[in-house]
Order: sequence, then C-alpha cells, then structure tokens
Amino acid sequence: EPEVTQTPSHQVTQMGQEVILRCVPISNHLYFYWYRQILGQKVEFLVSFYNNEISEKSEIFDDQFSVERPDGSNFTLKIRSTKLEDSAMYFCASSEELDTQYFGPGTRLTVL
Amino acid sequence: GQNIDQPTEMTATEGAIVQINCTYQTSGFNGLFWYQQHAGEAPTFLSYNVLDGLEEKGRFSSFLSRSKGYSYLLLKELQMKDSASYLCAVRDQRNTPLVFGKGTRLSVIA
Repeated sequence: EPEVTQTPSHQVTQMGQEVILRCVPISNHLYFYWYRQILGQKVEFLVSFYNNEISEKSEIFDDQFSVERPDGSNFTLKIRSTKLEDSAMYFCASSEELDTQYFGPGTRLTVL
Repeated sequence: GQNIDQPTEMTATEGAIVQINCTYQTSGFNGLFWYQQHAGEAPTFLSYNVLDGLEEKGRFSSFLSRSKGYSYLLLKELQMKDSASYLCAVRDQRNTPLVFGKGTRLSVIA
C-alpha cells in the first residue's frame, strides 16, 4: 500500500539555524499539506499546496516558513532561523482531490 | 470560529465496547474524520463521514449527525493495541485542511 514518507525521522538543530524537512507524498496525490504537533498538544495545520503553489496557510505559517516542490516527487518544508518553540513533530500529508488525507510518519524537530 | 470538543481521556476494559464522542462548531462542513494516533507516531486514518448516519468498518464504526454537530467513534471488542489517542477532525470546505480536536486518550485495561 502506498505511503507518505518523511526524512529525517529526527532532526536536532541549534536555535537560529535553518532546517529542511522532506516529504515524498503518495504518487498520484495532488494535494499536499504540512501539519505540526507540539508535544502534548493537538495537530495544527501549517500550509497546503496544490498545482505548484500554496493554496492555504495558517497564521503559524509566517515568513519563517516556506514550502517547495523541487521535483516531481519531493515536497519540502523549510524553517529559517529556528526558535525553541518550533520544536514539534512535523507531519506531511497528501490526498487525492477530495479524498482522505494520509499522514507520513513525521519528523521530530528539536531546537536547542 | 472553529471548535472541536472531545473528552480528554477514557478508560475501557479489553473485550468491551467504547464510544468516543466529538462535537464541532465550524463555519461550514465537508466531512468529519477520525484518526488513531499512537504515542510518537503519525495519525492513521480510521473513518470518514460526510452524510448523516453510521459507517461501519470492522471493529470500528463512526456516526455523524450534521444537524447536531455531533459524531462518535465506536470501538468494539477492544484490544490492548487499541490504547491510543483518537483524533476527531473536521474539514469545513472542499480541499481545505483538517481542523483537529485535542484528541481522546484511550487506555484499554485487562
């Protein structure tokens, strides 16, 4: 069964550094999403992406964040100048047009 | 605004049945989803309701009442491996992101 994959599984970085989180969505899916989950809190939407552009973004997704689909398979989330409060699990998800969103295994980001 | 409420924690006995409730207030409605999330892992899709009524899938069933803004997830023949958080999520328009509740942590005891 096709799956969303994410790398790395864990990322530790120093405050102020840039990180890139990578995702490979399910191959025939058209919609891509990034969510985050701070430890012990609910899953929160960051951004959705369709047809090579951002379709929607939340208040969390400020200028510190950017997304890219550099090729036909990868979908990346870049966080510039990381802050302590960026420590969280970051989940990538993908869906067909009106279908269920399937989540990747997540990247645990720790900012020191 | 959008608000999704579900109980924080529940405990049930192995082999029993448990019902996890979810109420929502959203500006629109285009589907309610239930996900299972084990600690430290990704949410895994369980069920989807867009019309009123009951959807059954093996040991799991989900019910929706749009007029009441209410859903429940029913788990039958509970197993220890069902101990997890159960997340209720609503999509308020086509192809918009999911809005999640805080999740219900279910503990299955022997």
